Amino acid sequence: NAGVMQNPRHLVRRRGQEARLRCSPMKGHSHVYWYRQLPEEGLKFMVYLQKENIIDESGMPKERFSAEFPKEGPSILRIQQVVRGDSAAYFCASSPGEGFNIQYFGAGTRLSVL
Amino acid sequence: QQQVKQSPQSLIVQKGGISIINCAYENTAFDYFPWYQQFPGKGPALLIAIRPDVSEKKEGRFTISFNKSAKQFSLHIMDSQPGDSATYFCAATTQGGSEKLVFGKGTKLTVNP
Repeated sequence: NAGVMQNPRHLVRRRGQEARLRCSPMKGHSHVYWYRQLPEEGLKFMVYLQKENIIDESGMPKERFSAEFPKEGPSILRIQQVVRGDSAAYFCASSPGEGFNIQYFGAGTRLSVL
Repeated sequence: QQQVKQSPQSLIVQKGGISIINCAYENTAFDYFPWYQQFPGKGPALLIAIRPDVSEKKEGRFTISFNKSAKQFSLHIMDSQPGDSATYFCAATTQGGSEKLVFGKGTKLTVNP
């Protein structure tokens, strides 16, 4: 049973470009969470999605950031017009959505903005 | 506002020693407290978790102690090994609702051989 798959593992973008980060949850998991980790910091919650629905986006910046989890395919975190401050590691986690909230994390995408 | 405070920021322990990491929380609605272990370049991996209806949980060399009245919980690693060298994060959440995890800032543990 494959774990949470994130790609790309590393992404380099120039200021003003768009970044697309993909996350495939574990098989059977219908809940996806995105977190951002800045250097020397803990992970900060961004958004929580279930299939085709955004449940909680209270941690998402109001501008330039969006997320989706379509009926088919991976969850996508999209950052438009990236700035240097967006450089961070972005982690996706998934959970089955039943019982204990055990979230399983992917290896992350490390975004560098030049 | 940091809802989960973690200390120390870094910790150096000799092989065979006990590593202790402490966390304190503010939100009394939190009812699930996991600890995650992260190696460089990897994602966090769930290590052990506790609910506030118990004061201690042990799994192998890892033990969580929980003090509900003080709103504190700690991770103890007995017989620490060099392979335990990693960054450890405590977290908290509320079951039901969005169940988003609120993380501490992490403790970088180094176990010297």
